[in-house]
Amino acid sequence: NAGVTQTPKFQVLKTGQSMTLQCAQDMNHNSMYWYRQDPGMGLRLIYYSASEGTTDKGEVPNGYNVSRLNKREFSLRLESAAPSQTSVYFCASSGQDADTQYFGPGTRLTVL
Amino acid sequence: AQSVTQPDIHITVSEGASLELRCNYSYGATPYLFWYVQSPGQGLQLLLKYFSGDTLVQGIKGFEAEFKRSQSSFNLRKPSVHWSDAAEYFCAVGGGYNKLIFGAGTRLAVHP
Repeated sequence: NAGVTQTPKFQVLKTGQSMTLQCAQDMNHNSMYWYRQDPGMGLRLIYYSASEGTTDKGEVPNGYNVSRLNKREFSLRLESAAPSQTSVYFCASSGQDADTQYFGPGTRLTVL
Repeated sequence: AQSVTQPDIHITVSEGASLELRCNYSYGATPYLFWYVQSPGQGLQLLLKYFSGDTLVQGIKGFEAEFKRSQSSFNLRKPSVHWSDAAEYFCAVGGGYNKLIFGAGTRLAVHP
């Protein structure tokens, strides 16, 4: 039981490049989330998926897209990376226990 | 608007001393409240949570927190800090559709 896994762990991009961050959970959770963490700002919600087949915007969705591929997987895509997207990205999931979220180890992204 | 405030950005305590980390929230309904801990380079781990009932909740690693509705607070406490408690601590409130709103975090340093 791996919990929530994320790939890659680290990534360096040039401005304008695209990439997809992958997230998977093996806890049979319905809901999945993407957050970004920046110094002094805590975690901010980018997108979430309340259930398979649905996605919705969070607090800071601009510049990102998501796909809930199936119940296990939830990916985050940067179509044209910008330096302002340099951050640590966390994926999380939650199940029947309302609002208790379990986090992955994070992806550290640098955009030059 | 919903928000979480952690007034202390950094706290330093001596090993064996008691600890209290402050958290104040603004939320229209009865909140779900959480404390998470993040060790350097790691994801977030749930310490404890409050959904309803007893306002004093016990968590892992000897932590406890008290929900005070009249003060809109959910402070985290530990009677005797260990060097391994050095980390960043995040308070969060649960919003609609399981979305979490995080505070900016408090970084704890422990002196031997």
